[in-house]
Amino acid sequence: EVQLVQSGAEVKKPGESLRISCKASGYSFSTSWIAWVRQMPGKGLEWMGIIYPSDSDIRYSPSIQGQVRLSVDESVDTAYLQWTSLRASDTGMYYCARDISSGYYGGPFDIWGQGTMVIVSS
Amino acid sequence: SYVLTQPPSVSVAPGQTANITCGGDNIGSKSVHWYQQKPGQAPILVVFGDSDRPSGIPERFSGSNSGNTATLSISRVEAGDVADYYCQVWESSCEFGGGTKLTVL
Repeated sequence: EVQLVQSGAEVKKPGESLRISCKASGYSFSTSWIAWVRQMPGKGLEWMGIIYPSDSDIRYSPSIQGQVRLSVDESVDTAYLQWTSLRASDTGMYYCARDISSGYYGGPFDIWGQGTMVIVSS
Repeated sequence: SYVLTQPPSVSVAPGQTANITCGGDNIGSKSVHWYQQKPGQAPILVVFGDSDRPSGIPERFSGSNSGNTATLSISRVEAGDVADYYCQVWESSCEFGGGTKLTVL
């Protein structure tokens, strides 16, 4: 079964660092772009960026650039989303999703992780 | 950035057809994808490339795209179709519409 399984919910304080994960299975992880999408409480979907596991080529949303870091570890078929200094405004649900296209991005997202809830509160 | 405009809500009686629109400048020249997100769940892809359905999605879900409006149509609406629906395109980056809440009367 093709799936993306994300790490569990996190509760952190402002200023702390965090890395959440997205483990792929059931397909060739290296050849499909993985996107990250955030959803603030009660709000819509917002694209954060996308990464190509084979060479770690990354595209960030202009509104997110510099706030987070995307990475992958091909040896464990896992993508990561990382913050160095969390803010209360980072509170939300974070999804990883696979771009259906192989080798390039720009297609729809056909497989989604279950989401990771991040709560940042003092 | 490219702006996609969706109505905040659409209401329809059971068995009727729901039409959810997604407006954008010359959106007819782009490939539009639609996602369904039920409460407390991750989104799922229901229509891609304007009008194609992934395997497992009922034929009741269909899409069209022309001019400045793309439309997701859900025929014979059921209570189980209650969800938020989002359109999505790629422009210089990935853009989502603001979402439409479907209510079944």
